Amino acid sequence: DTGVSQNPRHKITKRGQNVTFRCDPISEHNRLYWYRQTLGQGPEFLTYFQNEAQLEKSRLLSDRFSAERPKGSFSTLEIQRTEQGDSAMYLCASSLIVRNTIYFGEGSWLTVV
Amino acid sequence: AQTVTQSQPEMSVQDAETVTLSCTYDTSENNYYLFWYKQPPSRQMILVIRQEAYKQQNATENRFSVNFQKAAKSFSLKISDSQLGDTAMYFCAFMKFQYSGNTPLVFGKGTRLSVIA
Repeated sequence: DTGVSQNPRHKITKRGQNVTFRCDPISEHNRLYWYRQTLGQGPEFLTYFQNEAQLEKSRLLSDRFSAERPKGSFSTLEIQRTEQGDSAMYLCASSLIVRNTIYFGEGSWLTVV
Repeated sequence: AQTVTQSQPEMSVQDAETVTLSCTYDTSENNYYLFWYKQPPSRQMILVIRQEAYKQQNATENRFSVNFQKAAKSFSLKISDSQLGDTAMYFCAFMKFQYSGNTPLVFGKGTRLSVIA
């Protein structure tokens, strides 16, 4: 049973560049979530999907951030024109609609230099 | 909006001893779930224990138990017989129940627990 998979695990990018993270949820999980976590802080909700529909976006998700989940399977989170403040770990999680247990991936670390 | 507060940024405990981590939350909802998640250094977040708000009985999972006080909006985690492998960040989290599907988790800022040999 494979868990939530995130790629790449680490990314160092120059300010102003675009980056994209990919998340593969647990098979058959129809809910997929993105969170952002900075050092020493709790995860902050960014957005989530039910199948391919994006149900909610946090105010934290500026117009430089976009997330997609084509065909309701994997998801991508793209950050355009990265800023140093975007440096964080981006966590993906998945669940079934009817269950309250959410499973997390190992996260994708972003460092903007 | 729901908020979760963890007032202890760091704690330490001797191995084999018992430690209690505090969590309070604010909500106007009546049906919800509360969770404790563990995040070891450089490893993924895993679920430790879950409590349904409609249940009066406190949840237990082996060495982990909670003290759920609904009226006080308090949800503390007790770790008995602490082990070195319990060293991690611990996050308290809230989820609102909805028939159409539960809401995303809202997390506290975490408590860093160190178990000392």
